[in-house]
Amino acid sequence: GDSVTQTEGLVTLTEGLPVMLNCTYQTAYSTFLFWYVQHLNEAPKLLLKSSTDNKRTEHQGFHATLHKSSSSFHLQKSSAQLSDSALYYCALSDWGNYAQGLTFGLGTRVSVFP
Amino acid sequence: DPKIIQKPKYLVAVTGSEKILICEQYLGHNAMYWYRQSAKKPLEFMFSYSYQKLMDNQTASSRFQPQSSKKNHLDLQITALKPDDSATYFCASSPGQGGTEVFFGKGTRLTVV
Repeated sequence: GDSVTQTEGLVTLTEGLPVMLNCTYQTAYSTFLFWYVQHLNEAPKLLLKSSTDNKRTEHQGFHATLHKSSSSFHLQKSSAQLSDSALYYCALSDWGNYAQGLTFGLGTRVSVFP
Repeated sequence: DPKIIQKPKYLVAVTGSEKILICEQYLGHNAMYWYRQSAKKPLEFMFSYSYQKLMDNQTASSRFQPQSSKKNHLDLQITALKPDDSATYFCASSPGQGGTEVFFGKGTRLTVV
């Protein structure tokens, strides 16, 4: 079955430093990759998505590039802000199967300090 | 305005009791889902429905029963509640096509004492 593996646990960093969260996946099908962000006591919401190989996608200062050759979709930001403190999920969805919605990784908690 | 409404926002239940979590979506989506989030298992898929039909069930226990009275409703009935059921339950929806974004409600935080 499908699976997503992402940077585990807690990532702490200082405001202004770059952020990189790793995400790799396994699937036998054509797929969409997503990054969701969940702030404290809120619902997960979409940050980025892509299905195009080797194309950079950007939103709210974050960017990610889907690399099908390495099954990766790493999330990056050049300069972290305090407001980036949140839980980040990498997820995938198969083109031909919406029945399960999204397959999520275990999540990475990011804490940004002044 | 929230487009996926979940009720109640917080719920405290006694072990062994039964509760129903309510979900309505006003996005015009064809597919609806339930996910569970706890400290042990972040964002765990439970059920999916499409046009009021069960599509997938990844919940091992029959104590969890989704109920769909309308296309835009998907309630979750939980019977014989256990402390391990304590979690935040998220209702979600999508247009029902593979590869599309899933939208989440704000969740119901269930505590079983």
